[in-house]
Amino acid sequence: AQSVTQLGSHVSVSEGALVLLRCNYSSSVPPYLFWYVQYPNQGLQLLLKYTSAATLVKGINGFEAEFKKSETSFHLTKPSAHMSDAAEYFCAVRSNFGNEKLTFGTGTRLTIIP
Amino acid sequence: EPEVTQTPSHQVTQMGQEVILRCVPISNHLYFYWYRQILGQKVEFLVSFYNNEISEKSEIFDDQFSVERPDGSNFTLKIRSTKLEDSAMYFCASSEETGASNEQFFGPGTRLTVL
Repeated sequence: AQSVTQLGSHVSVSEGALVLLRCNYSSSVPPYLFWYVQYPNQGLQLLLKYTSAATLVKGINGFEAEFKKSETSFHLTKPSAHMSDAAEYFCAVRSNFGNEKLTFGTGTRLTIIP
Repeated sequence: EPEVTQTPSHQVTQMGQEVILRCVPISNHLYFYWYRQILGQKVEFLVSFYNNEISEKSEIFDDQFSVERPDGSNFTLKIRSTKLEDSAMYFCASSEETGASNEQFFGPGTRLTVL
């Protein structure tokens, strides 16, 4: 069975500071990994995905994530936070064959301090 | 930009009543999904649907739940007899392909409140 664990249900950073949201995965087969963002009253929007190509993945809005197999991690980073980054962020995993369902983490709410 | 839409945005119902949640996937997508998120908990997979049949379902998706694509545009989730624990945000998603290129596009959700 696959799962992801997001450390920190709430993260606060100052505007302009580094954003680091943590995600660790558990999977018996090489996984596909995703980060989604949810703004208030909106659906989940894909930020980026890892599908076994480059281990450093760049996404929208300046976010990137690095797949580290040795650490079973897929942490999301952004060098400089903007006020508009305030949202809920979800890490998700999917098997790379057959099974198409996404398994989500519990989410991290990011607050940006002016 | 194409998007997944869901109606209603909020549904309030009495326990034991039937509800139908509606979704309009992106028009050229072939794969459809329902997920739900109970307040304060994870987003959970319910069911996937392709070629007019269920391709996978979770243990949550019991006999009280059903899905249908009644026409070329809508994708519905029916809960036959709602329970208090069905209160959640329900998300519809669709994708054009499967495999590595599978990107699931999510709708804004329907908040279901069962009283």
